Amino acid sequence: GAVVSQHPSRVICKSGTSVKIECRSLDFQATTMFWYRQFPKQSLMLMATSNEGSKATYEQGVEKDKFLINHASLTLSTLTVTSAHPEDSSFYICSAKDRVAGELFFGEGSRLTVL
Amino acid sequence: AQSVAQPEDQVNVAEGNPLTVKCTYSVSGNPYLFWYVQYPNRGLQFLLKYITGDNLVKGSYGFEAEFNKSQTSFHLKKPSALVSDSALYFCAVRDGSNTGKLIFGQGTTLQVKP
Repeated sequence: GAVVSQHPSRVICKSGTSVKIECRSLDFQATTMFWYRQFPKQSLMLMATSNEGSKATYEQGVEKDKFLINHASLTLSTLTVTSAHPEDSSFYICSAKDRVAGELFFGEGSRLTVL
Repeated sequence: AQSVAQPEDQVNVAEGNPLTVKCTYSVSGNPYLFWYVQYPNRGLQFLLKYITGDNLVKGSYGFEAEFNKSQTSFHLKKPSALVSDSALYFCAVRDGSNTGKLIFGQGTTLQVKP
């Protein structure tokens, strides 16, 4: 089946630094990718919709300047958490929509811990 | 706006017994409904979906779900639970746009005891 790879799977950083998380579709092209945030034992909250070659569409309440999204190619989207703070600690999950089949596939998630 | 609700935070069932995880939906237009499972510190794994056709949908790992339009429900079921089925289950609905964006329910933790 189609695979979506997220890297890193775990990252620990100091408060004030920036962290980049990558989401790659390994065997299909994805014009659209989605970034979710999940707190412990809670549901997935959609943060933004990432469109290849254009600006991301952010959900209400999500800070664009804090969570920078870049979707520079049909197989890669990145989420950069800028000037991270402890409250940004969370599990971030991406999903990618197959450009041809229209199916949606999820990455394995990235756990960010900000000290 | 599209939404789904999972009324139970946790479902407990003994191994070998049938299980049901409940989901109700609210949509405008035709519903596109999904079930996903999540194991600790992992991403989501697709179980099954309803787009159109038969109301009983069969999915991965022996799971199935029944679409009930009159009750606006899409409950997940399995005839005989396994301990390894213990996980967090999410019901989801596709939003009304063409982006493929999913709206998730709150999630239900399934505990299967030996």
